[in-house]
Amino acid sequence: DTGVSQNPRHKITKRGQNVTFRCDPISEHNRLYWYRQTLGQGPEFLTYFQNEAQLEKSRLLSDRFSAERPKGSFSTLEIQRTEQGDSAMYLCASSLERSNQPQHFGDGTRLSIL
Amino acid sequence: AQTVTQSQPEMSVQEAETVTLSCTYDTSENNYYLFWYKQPPSRQMILVIRQEAYKQQNATENRFSVNFQKAAKSFSLKISDSQLGDTAMYFCASSLYNNNDMRFGAGTRLTVKP
Repeated sequence: DTGVSQNPRHKITKRGQNVTFRCDPISEHNRLYWYRQTLGQGPEFLTYFQNEAQLEKSRLLSDRFSAERPKGSFSTLEIQRTEQGDSAMYLCASSLERSNQPQHFGDGTRLSIL
Repeated sequence: AQTVTQSQPEMSVQEAETVTLSCTYDTSENNYYLFWYKQPPSRQMILVIRQEAYKQQNATENRFSVNFQKAAKSFSLKISDSQLGDTAMYFCASSLYNNNDMRFGAGTRLTVKP
């Protein structure tokens, strides 16, 4: 297994455009998490899935953000009508369901809004 | 709610020396986990060490050990025999027993000097 994979690595787009990121978790992990990390800060939790069910969403996840995990495998995070404040690194992590299992992170997708 | 505070934005240490990174947290829960993650420049975040709150014994992983003071809600990381490859951002994090919504501190940038 190659770990958590995120695509694309970098995305540059104009303000107002929609963007979609993909995360492929470690295959046997049924939990998947999205975080946002701005420069010089720690990751901030956005949302998490257990299998295909989205079980928790942060207040940071505005109406312009939507995440899906349709078959309980890969996940997508879409941002509509991007704003400059959306510029950040978007990190995906996955873990097993058991409570003492750590989250494994991907390399992230860096979003830059022009 | 959980909060994690890292009061040292930057630290440096000479190669082969020992350094301690500080972390305090706040939670009203009794069952939780604490983690230290390492994020090298432009690279993936990886788990360094984790501690289960119900265990009194401090966790140790090779050159990395923690000083977990539950009453004081303190969770410091000690790196012994520092190596150049230890240069990275270090994030302290906590999660509740069910391992969702991990909260991170702002990070400490550690530089190991030759």
